[in-house]
Amino acid sequence: ETGVTQSPTHLIKTRGQQVTLRCSSQSGHNTVSWYQQALGQGPQFIFQYYREEENGRGNFPPRFSGLQFPNYSSELNVNALELDDSALYLCASSLEAGPNNEQFFGPGTRLTVL
Amino acid sequence: DAKTTQPNSMESNEEEPVHLPCNHSTISGTDYIHWYRQLPSQGPEYVIHGLTSNVNNRMASLAIAEDRKSSTLILHRATLRDAAVYYCILRLYTGRRALTFGSGTRLQVQP
Repeated sequence: ETGVTQSPTHLIKTRGQQVTLRCSSQSGHNTVSWYQQALGQGPQFIFQYYREEENGRGNFPPRFSGLQFPNYSSELNVNALELDDSALYLCASSLEAGPNNEQFFGPGTRLTVL
Repeated sequence: DAKTTQPNSMESNEEEPVHLPCNHSTISGTDYIHWYRQLPSQGPEYVIHGLTSNVNNRMASLAIAEDRKSSTLILHRATLRDAAVYYCILRLYTGRRALTFGSGTRLQVQP
């Protein structure tokens, strides 16, 4: 069984640019959540997709957007990058969107904005 | 979301039990208590969760106070691989279903 994978592993962008991060969920999982983790802090929830629909959103501006595809893989897009967007971006998949369901995290994409 | 309070850091010796406390005095009746941990340079991983009763699995035990205002994650025999940041998270039964991470407890395990 393949776990959650994310690409790329590392990325360097400049302020104002746009970036797309990708996530392949664990086999059979229909829910994907994205988190941002700044250095030394816990992950912060960005949004969640359940069966291709956004199913909840954290306190992030609209320039953070996402997609979930029919195979349940997902993308996180960030427009107009700012220096504070430098962080580890984590994707997590789960079988359903309920509170009792374990989330399986990928290794993350380290984004550096210069 | 109800808040959790954890010590910033704890130390343990290898092969000794570790008790990681978490206070959640504003917990509601339908909040589940989840524990995740994050090993260095990895994404978080699920450890255990519970609602009211104590829970055991192959990784750890979760002891929940009778009033549910606190809980304790118990690692029965710490190994060097257990060195990680441990997050205690309350997960709402309804509404947003995301995990709300605090700053967690950094556990150091000495050989």
